[in-house]
Amino acid sequence: DGGITQSPKYLFRKEGQNVTLSCEQNLNHDAMYWYRQDPGQGLRLIYYSQIVNDFQKGDIAEGYSVSREKKESFPLTVTSAQKNPTAFYLCASSSVGGQGSYEQYFGPGTRLTVT
Amino acid sequence: QKEVEQNSGPLSVPEGAIASLNCTYSDRVSQSFFWYRQYSGKSPELIMSIYSNGDKEDGRFTAQLNKASQYVSLLIRDSQPSDSATYLCAVRGLETGANNLFFGTGTRLTVIP
Repeated sequence: DGGITQSPKYLFRKEGQNVTLSCEQNLNHDAMYWYRQDPGQGLRLIYYSQIVNDFQKGDIAEGYSVSREKKESFPLTVTSAQKNPTAFYLCASSSVGGQGSYEQYFGPGTRLTVT
Repeated sequence: QKEVEQNSGPLSVPEGAIASLNCTYSDRVSQSFFWYRQYSGKSPELIMSIYSNGDKEDGRFTAQLNKASQYVSLLIRDSQPSDSATYLCAVRGLETGANNLFFGTGTRLTVIP
């Protein structure tokens, strides 16, 4: 089955700890994205990557870091510098180029709670 | 002005009726248009894409795009209780690049049996 997987589904951490969220896709998509969603708000872009070993900051990158060592994988680290890390984190991927491209497909999400 | 705006609802329609969801966007974001459905506690699921003016139909769903008036809408015919969800409008910007997909905050739809 082609798709995007995220793990874990739920994650609980103490304040001050870094945590890494996993995202893997087997859709052969070049681009991958990380969003966070807070109650009553739209999706906000954290980071995106269009190609291996390259990534760009989105609108709310402060307190987060990413890597893109493989096409299939785009892990997100939530650092202790992120002031309000509790949120629903969504990973997405898309192909790049051509009219049908840029349709973003989402993984199931990771719900992070920091206390 | 926000790039993409939606009425947050809730929008309630009886089972079997047509649900009409609307989205307006600013000038800067007017390349490609998408509708996502998000069930409570789940991730968004892409249900429609539309790239040119006019209507696009897929089963019970019809997307309508009017670039001159800067709005895109989603019609759901024969609404079912299983259509109850939040519907997100997303718009890709004019600039090239993979990052600029702007999302609205969503309209919550409830279909009453």
